Amino acid sequence: NAGVTQTPKFRVLKTGQSMTLLCAQDMNHEYMYWYRQDPGMGLRLIHYSVGEGTTAKGEVPDGYNVSRLKKQNFLLGLESAAPSQTSVYFCASSYILGLAWSSYNEQFFGPGTRLTVL
Amino acid sequence: GIQVEQSPPDLILQEGANSTLRCNFSDSVNNLQWFHQNPWGQLINLFYIPSGTKQNGRLSATTVATERYSLLYISSSQTTDSGVYFCAVERSGSARQLTFGSGTQLTVLP
Repeated sequence: NAGVTQTPKFRVLKTGQSMTLLCAQDMNHEYMYWYRQDPGMGLRLIHYSVGEGTTAKGEVPDGYNVSRLKKQNFLLGLESAAPSQTSVYFCASSYILGLAWSSYNEQFFGPGTRLTVL
Repeated sequence: GIQVEQSPPDLILQEGANSTLRCNFSDSVNNLQWFHQNPWGQLINLFYIPSGTKQNGRLSATTVATERYSLLYISSSQTTDSGVYFCAVERSGSARQLTFGSGTQLTVLP
């Protein structure tokens, strides 16, 4: 049981290049999330997905796109990378136990991808 | 959006000392998690604690949801406790999104 894995671990891009980050989870979780962490700050939500085929915007979605074609995978795309997107990217997943808004929702994180845009 | 404030921002301890980290939040929350980010950058789940008190070895946490704060206690600290401790909350009705505080940077000296 690998939990949440992310590919690649490190990447350097030039301004204007594109790339896709892959997140995979083997816990059969419904919810998946992409966050970014900038130096000295907590994580901020980019996009999330509440199930296969569905995605939604988070706090900082501009410049990113996502897709959830399979339940276990969540892809984060940068179409035209900018230096402001230099960050560490974390993927997370969770399952919701119960239907109420207050139901259990513990998120589990992958190891992160360190991206530098020159 | 909800505001999450952690204090202190930095904490330096001698090995064996105890400490208390605080997390204040500005709105009602459904869920609250504490994480430890180790020096290699990995986020480790410590507690899932929307209310009440939990203990896990030398660590314990208390959340008083009605007063909008949570505390993380570290007893008999060890050098391996060093890193950044984050509090993250899920605001009521927020579509299950976590909002993170800025963290407490803990350094435990041998």
